[in-house]
Amino acid sequence: DIQMTQSPSSLSASVGDRVSITCRASQTISSYLSWYQQIPGKAPKLLIYAASSLQSGVPSRFSGSGSGTDFTLTINSLQPEDFATYYCLQTYNTPWTFGQGTKVDIK
Amino acid sequence: EELLVETGGGLIRPGGSLRLSCAASGFIVSSNYLTWVRQVPGKGLEWVSVVYNDGSTFYADSVKGRFTISRDSSKNTLHLQMNTLRADDTAVYYCARVIEVHYYHYYYMDLWGKGTAVTVSS
Repeated sequence: DIQMTQSPSSLSASVGDRVSITCRASQTISSYLSWYQQIPGKAPKLLIYAASSLQSGVPSRFSGSGSGTDFTLTINSLQPEDFATYYCLQTYNTPWTFGQGTKVDIK
Repeated sequence: EELLVETGGGLIRPGGSLRLSCAASGFIVSSNYLTWVRQVPGKGLEWVSVVYNDGSTFYADSVKGRFTISRDSSKNTLHLQMNTLRADDTAVYYCARVIEVHYYHYYYMDLWGKGTAVTVSS
């Protein structure tokens, strides 16, 4: 099975900060990676697919990069509504696997 | 409007069975890939199962042999039959639509339901 390791597991940031979250796959997954945002009590929401494609309706301050084994989600100019937990997901092989999540909270 | 609504969760004793349903509106279940994802309260997301539009099914090792994913085209609904339930199956279960990027075959979950809670306890 492919293991997805996210880092950091949590971070504190201020409104307006630039934040980066990384996800590393235990083997190459090409660009079979997507990113999701989850606010407590809500369902996950798709942000990025195919490693770097922005989902329709998602603000352009979110961006994704990477290919192979190393991927990054970047949030430029963090907004109050961005404080949430973020997950990566690989769909290169079944079983599909999520990263353990990164909680972004207010400094 | 495209929507997924899960039902069927509840309290069940260990060893029991439960069937979750996910009613879709605004799109055709049989033409899409659909998946189940679960989340233990306070923990991360865990992929459970997927059914492809050709009917192929895949499962996480933790549920293989106990859970069965299926579709009812007449009701435009996805199901998850869960047998021999264990305490560690306690979670909120989400269904989601999976989109395939044609040619590249990238998959991602673009539409999620709000989830249904399953508690396995004596």
